[in-house]
Amino acid sequence: GESVGLHLPTLSVQEGDNSIINCAYSNSASDYFIWYKQESGKGPQFIIDIRSNMDKRQGQRVTVLLNKTVKHLSLQIAATQPGDSAVYFCAENEAGGYNKLIFGAGTRLAVHP
Amino acid sequence: DSGVTQTPKHLITATGQRVTLRCSPRSGDLSVYWYQQSLDQGLQFLIQYYNGEERAKGNILERFSAQQFPDLHSELNLSSLELGDSALYFCASSGSGQVGTEAFFGQGTRLTVV
Repeated sequence: GESVGLHLPTLSVQEGDNSIINCAYSNSASDYFIWYKQESGKGPQFIIDIRSNMDKRQGQRVTVLLNKTVKHLSLQIAATQPGDSAVYFCAENEAGGYNKLIFGAGTRLAVHP
Repeated sequence: DSGVTQTPKHLITATGQRVTLRCSPRSGDLSVYWYQQSLDQGLQFLIQYYNGEERAKGNILERFSAQQFPDLHSELNLSSLELGDSALYFCASSGSGQVGTEAFFGQGTRLTVV
């Protein structure tokens, strides 16, 4: 498959552990945030989103935390599985704008058995 | 499968040439976005169309242009190609194009300029 971002920061975890991926966003006017997962050779896949009027949102095995004070997002993955191995991107969208998603650099998650 | 179809999957061409990348959005989606993904710059927003009209523009070069047709498919035209244009080009679609609507990505077109 295609390699994405060969020089990305990498988070290595053991299968079954919890993973936390962090992202610093740039625009204090952004009011909508999304986490995407990109597997080798595939396009980004939506994981979870959060609006700026919330500070936490939970999905199935995933939780997104938003700290607007320090412009920080995190993605927590519970009981990480080998299938979670991928590159994870956070994306932000400016308030009042159309879906002009600005993506972060990405973090590679490597899950070891 | 996201429902967004991009063709071709791979494209190899020479510097100075022109290519056209095609995107068919998910059924019913009115908004189409184009992104460029290179190794050193991550996913860069290029342009967005909604129901045939340009809605938002990112860091799209003047050598690049796009359009969305009445049947809602979109094409990204890249001309006077340079080695640095080698990248993955993704198309995404969403229903309304408004903030807060999930965008679904295609599998991408890998462009290699030699």
